[in-house]
Amino acid sequence: EPEVTQTPSHQVTQMGQEVILRCVPISNHLYFYWYRQILGQKVEFLVSFYNNEISEKSEIFDDQFSVERPDGSNFTLKIRSTKLEDSAMYFCASSRVGQGNQPQHFGDGTRLSIL
Amino acid sequence: QKEVEQNSGPLSVPEGAIASLNCTYSDRGSQSFFWYRQYSGKSPELIMSIYSNGDKEDGRFTAQLNKASQYVSLLIRDSQPSDSATYLCAVNEGGADGLTFGKGTHLIIQP
Repeated sequence: EPEVTQTPSHQVTQMGQEVILRCVPISNHLYFYWYRQILGQKVEFLVSFYNNEISEKSEIFDDQFSVERPDGSNFTLKIRSTKLEDSAMYFCASSRVGQGNQPQHFGDGTRLSIL
Repeated sequence: QKEVEQNSGPLSVPEGAIASLNCTYSDRGSQSFFWYRQYSGKSPELIMSIYSNGDKEDGRFTAQLNKASQYVSLLIRDSQPSDSATYLCAVNEGGADGLTFGKGTHLIIQP
């Protein structure tokens, strides 16, 4: 069964550095998402992306964050000037279409640790 | 502010019994409702989706939706120890909207 692939599985970075988290969505999916889950807390929506532009973003997704689809398969989340509170699991998800009701399928996540 | 509320548990159920998980949501514009299962340290795994009022059954799982009461539930029949996990309720307004998740209910199936 096709799945969303995320790399790396664990990223350790010094505070203030930039990180790029990578995702390969399911091949026939057109909508892509990033979520984060701080340890012990709920999963929080960050951003959705369709047709090479942001569809929706949450209050969390400020100027520190950006997303990009650099080629036909990858979808990336860039976090600039990382802070201790950015430590979390980051999940990429994709769905087949945005019209109508389609479930979002999640990747295994990247654990981001800011030191 | 969109809110999804779940009892955090833990909910302890004997093996073979029915586990009943509940969720309420605040946004009356919500159109799509999902149950995800999350094992500790893992990603959310889709269990059920439901879009219209009533019941939807898939194997041992039944999702129930009541939009008037803004209430969603998940029943797990013949509970197995492998069902022990945190169950996340998630809703959105349909389409490409981001999901709003509850904090999840920690379910423990006792052998």
